[in-house]
Amino acid sequence: QVQLQQSGPGLVKPSQTLSLTCAISGDSVSSDSATWNWIRQSPSRGLEWLGRTYYRSKWYNDYAVSVKSRITINPDTSKNQFSLQLNSVTPEDMAVYFCARHQSGFNSWGQGTLVTVSS
Amino acid sequence: DIVMTQSPDSLAVSLGERATINCKSSQSVLHSSNNRNFLAWYQQKPGQPPKLLIYWASARESGVPDRFSGSGSGTDFTLTVSSLQAGDVAVYYCQQYYSHPYTFGQGTNLEIK
Repeated sequence: QVQLQQSGPGLVKPSQTLSLTCAISGDSVSSDSATWNWIRQSPSRGLEWLGRTYYRSKWYNDYAVSVKSRITINPDTSKNQFSLQLNSVTPEDMAVYFCARHQSGFNSWGQGTLVTVSS
Repeated sequence: DIVMTQSPDSLAVSLGERATINCKSSQSVLHSSNNRNFLAWYQQKPGQPPKLLIYWASARESGVPDRFSGSGSGTDFTLTVSSLQAGDVAVYYCQQYYSHPYTFGQGTNLEIK
């Protein structure tokens, strides 16, 4: 049974960096049959895929064009987790952020983190 | 980007009756290499993350009741709940994983009539 546990602050100041971590149990971030993703959900944008990291003999990343200049997703093999950094946040980045494992569909999800952008 | 459009936005069905939710993709999500449709369905209840119900358009995820079924191919897909139960009240989403960026439909709110 795969479990994803999210951690990180729920309040970020405008222009600052949003940082979240997703700890994996029951699978490996280095799995060659899964990708590790960040998704956010807001009333205005619905469910929006942000990016992924995955290992296929080497590490790869893919990012959504809408956030590509501001986002970094990194694996941490020593802790079996992956992280999200989103720079220069604005109120438009307010959302519930989820981490999720993808195989054929997103079959495991973190619990979600409500991120508020406010000074 | 592939745009996913669901219909209806909201649906009220009596307990024990059938609920049908439609999803249309702006381009085909059928991959010729394996003849599979890269289409998934999710159920989301308030305060919870989405839960995978169906993948490859018609394969039921482990543990999902068999009253949930998926069908369709190419650009047109359907999620059917054959006999609605009170616990099925939720928002349902389709999602394509044919190409990046992965995209979701806007959601269909399923309620009890």
